[in-house]
Amino acid sequence: AQTVTQSQPEMSVQEAETVTLSCTYDTSESDYYLFWYKQPPSRQMILVIRQEAYKQQNATENRFSVNFQKAAKSFSLKISDSQLGDAAMYFCAYVETSGSRLTFGEGTQLTVNP
Amino acid sequence: NAGVMQNPRHLVRRRGQEARLRCSPMKGHSHVYWYRQLPEEGLKFMVYLQKENIIDESGMPKERFSAEFPKEGPSILRIQQVVRGDSAAYFCASSPFVGRQANEKLFFGSGTQLSVL
Repeated sequence: AQTVTQSQPEMSVQEAETVTLSCTYDTSESDYYLFWYKQPPSRQMILVIRQEAYKQQNATENRFSVNFQKAAKSFSLKISDSQLGDAAMYFCAYVETSGSRLTFGEGTQLTVNP
Repeated sequence: NAGVMQNPRHLVRRRGQEARLRCSPMKGHSHVYWYRQLPEEGLKFMVYLQKENIIDESGMPKERFSAEFPKEGPSILRIQQVVRGDSAAYFCASSPFVGRQANEKLFFGSGTQLSVL
């Protein structure tokens, strides 16, 4: 069974600094998607960034980028120039390309200090 | 185009009562997924439905839980005889596609927080 592990229950960063959130996963599949979702106190699940496993190039969305290491099954999220609005719970998630069910990690609570 | 709508946003039930959670997918979306988030945990898959069909219910508890997605109207997650352990946030997500394309067009609702007294 696929598993997703986020080893950092909590992280903090100073405003305008850079922070990296870690995620590892376990799968025997070769074709899959990985995601980072943001969940602010409003509880809304907001897609931050998405990576297809067959793409070697790391995905980037403005201040958010990933370091995808397929052989190591690692998928970390880097947030540059952190803003107060980035404070939230961040979830890493996995899905097989042909599948329908996302597997989520336990989450990392990010605090941004002014 | 409104997003995925879930209601109620908060639902309080006493032990033994029934809870009915509703999810209206985005317009044109015929694939609906339900997830449960227990306190301090990540989301866990419950069930995947298409119109009038349950496709994958491998994450649903065997008893007291059921889901439907009728031809007309919202998808309903029903929990009978609720217990305190059912207290959680329940999320719905929808997509217009299945497979690879679904992973690029998946949208979540804001969830229903169920509290069982």
